Amino acid sequence: GAVVSQHPSWVICKSGTSVKIECRSLDFQATTMFWYRQFPKQSLMLMATSNEGSKATYEQGVEKDKFLINHASLTLSTLTVTSAHPEDSSFYICSARVLFSGIPIYNEQFFGPGTRLTVL
Amino acid sequence: SQELEQSPQSLIVQEGKNLTINCTSSKTLYGLYWYKQKYGEGLIFLMMLQKGGEEKSHEKITAKLDEKKQQSSLHITASQPSHAGIYLCGAFMIYNQGGKLIFGQGTELSVKP
Repeated sequence: GAVVSQHPSWVICKSGTSVKIECRSLDFQATTMFWYRQFPKQSLMLMATSNEGSKATYEQGVEKDKFLINHASLTLSTLTVTSAHPEDSSFYICSARVLFSGIPIYNEQFFGPGTRLTVL
Repeated sequence: SQELEQSPQSLIVQEGKNLTINCTSSKTLYGLYWYKQKYGEGLIFLMMLQKGGEEKSHEKITAKLDEKKQQSSLHITASQPSHAGIYLCGAFMIYNQGGKLIFGQGTELSVKP
């Protein structure tokens, strides 16, 4: 299957700093990428949908100014956690959708390995 | 409220026993995915179901989507310690602004040797 990478896989930062997480589709082009957040012992919560060349669509309750998403190319989306605080500590996972068909439901979604963010 | 309800939330079974995890939606499911995850790691794709009544198997894991396409079950036969992990069902939901893949709460499976 298609491969999605994330970098870094693990990051520790001080409160108040900003952290950028990269999501790359390695062997395919992804017009749409998704960012999820996962707290310990909980499921994945969709944060935002990132479309190449346009603004991201954020889920209700997700702060746009806090979590900046940029999808500058068909293989790269970035999530920047601005002015990070301890409550932002979480596991962030991105996914990319392969466009096999014009019908979205038939397009498989591939997940990255995740990035663990710890804010001190 | 949770659009996808998974049950049970956690499960401890003896090695060799069978088990079933359920995933229920209040809406019609257009695509139902099952993933496995070790906490702190990425998702491992298990199976995708699209048609009502569809059933797929991989090794000792079988997943079904009911005829009404609102419920799916994941069945593991003769469980092994390697089956331990978090099982997530995901569903492709259609909204006004497009479609997106959302997840159930997850089921944490422990297999006692």
